[in-house]
Parts: sequence; C-alpha cells; structure tokens
Amino acid sequence: EIVLTQSPATLSLSPGERATLSCRASQSVRRYLAWYQQKPGQAPRLLIYDASNRATGIPARFSGSGSGTDFTLSISSLEPEDFAVYYCQQRSNWPPVWVFGGGTKVEIK
Amino acid sequence: QVQLVESGGGLVKPGGSLRLSCAASGFAFSDYYMSWIRQAPGKGLEWLSSISSSGSNIYYADSMKGRFTISRDNAKSALYVQMNSLRVEDTAVYYCAREMSIRLAFDMWGQGTMVTVSS
Repeated sequence: EIVLTQSPATLSLSPGERATLSCRASQSVRRYLAWYQQKPGQAPRLLIYDASNRATGIPARFSGSGSGTDFTLSISSLEPEDFAVYYCQQRSNWPPVWVFGGGTKVEIK
Repeated sequence: QVQLVESGGGLVKPGGSLRLSCAASGFAFSDYYMSWIRQAPGKGLEWLSSISSSGSNIYYADSMKGRFTISRDNAKSALYVQMNSLRVEDTAVYYCAREMSIRLAFDMWGQGTMVTVSS
C-alpha cells in the first residue's frame, strides 16, 4: 500500500506570505494526486486533482505541481480564509484503495 | 441543489451496530462511484469503502473488511454503510463522498455524521 507523507506538520505564516506544502509518496503515483482543504467543523473541499488541475471554483492562488513521488501545493499569497488543514490523497490502481496523507496545518503566525 | 446529506449517526455501545445513510440530490447519482470516509476526533482522514455506480463492485479498506458493509439504492439516490461490532476506536465523523468521474479524487462531500461508540 502506498503511503503519503506530508510535511511540515504545521506551517506558521502570516497573511500575504507564500505557503509551500509537500506530499511524498512511498512509490510513484504518476500524476494521480489530489489536494483538499479542511476547515474546523467542515468537510474537506477538493482543491487540486491530477497533481496540478484546480477544481471548480478554486482561486488561482492555489497551485499544485509534481509527479512520481514528490508533490507540492502552493498558495501564492495567504488570505485569512486559507488558514486550515490540507491533505493530499491518491488512489492505487489495484486494488482500488484510497490513501490520505497525515495533513499539514497552516496556522497564523 | 447539488448535495450529499448523511444521517444515522449517534451514540452506540461497544459491540453494537449502526446504519448510516447518505442522501444525494441535484446530480445523476447512478452515474457515480461513491465512498465512505471517516475522521476520528482531531485526526486525519481515513477511507473506508467504495462502491461502483451500479453497486456491482465494492472495495474495502483492510481494517473494515468483515464489519462494515457498503450498499446503495440508485432508485432512491442513497448510499448506506452498515457498521457492526462497533469499537470505541470507530468513534468518528463519517462522510460520504462522490468520486470524480475518471479523475481519482472526491469532488463532493457531505457534511458528515458523528458516530460515538462508548459504554
């Protein structure tokens, strides 16, 4: 089973700063990686799929990159509403098992 | 309105059972694979099970096999999970989620329903 490792666990930044979140897979997942944002008391929201495609309605300040085993979610300039927990996710081909990373919390510095 | 709404959560004793439901509306439910995902308090996301659009293909996380059963009723646009032999560690918010067509991601989530297993 593929393991996704996210780093750092916590990122302390100020509004307006750039955030860079990492997700590393234990083996290649090609470009089949997604990113989600979750705020307290809310369900996760899809941000990025296929490593770099923004989901519907997601602002352009969110971008994803990477392939194989190393992926990055970038937030170009943090808005107050961006402080949240972010998860990466992939699904293995067979058997179809979905795996999430442990999450990165982006908190206000 | 395009949405997923879970129900059926609550307090149950260890060893008990619970059936969660997820009502879908605003989209062609029968066209989509669906999944159940849970989140223990203060923890990360854990995928439990998925079911194909017709219900003919079902997949479980290894840790769920034998205790949880996923099912769906396309005529009612509903997804279910039957949970048996519940343990304290099954305490979590349970989400249903829609699998994005072709893409390997969940593009729609319900608001979640809380399951508490405690004596």
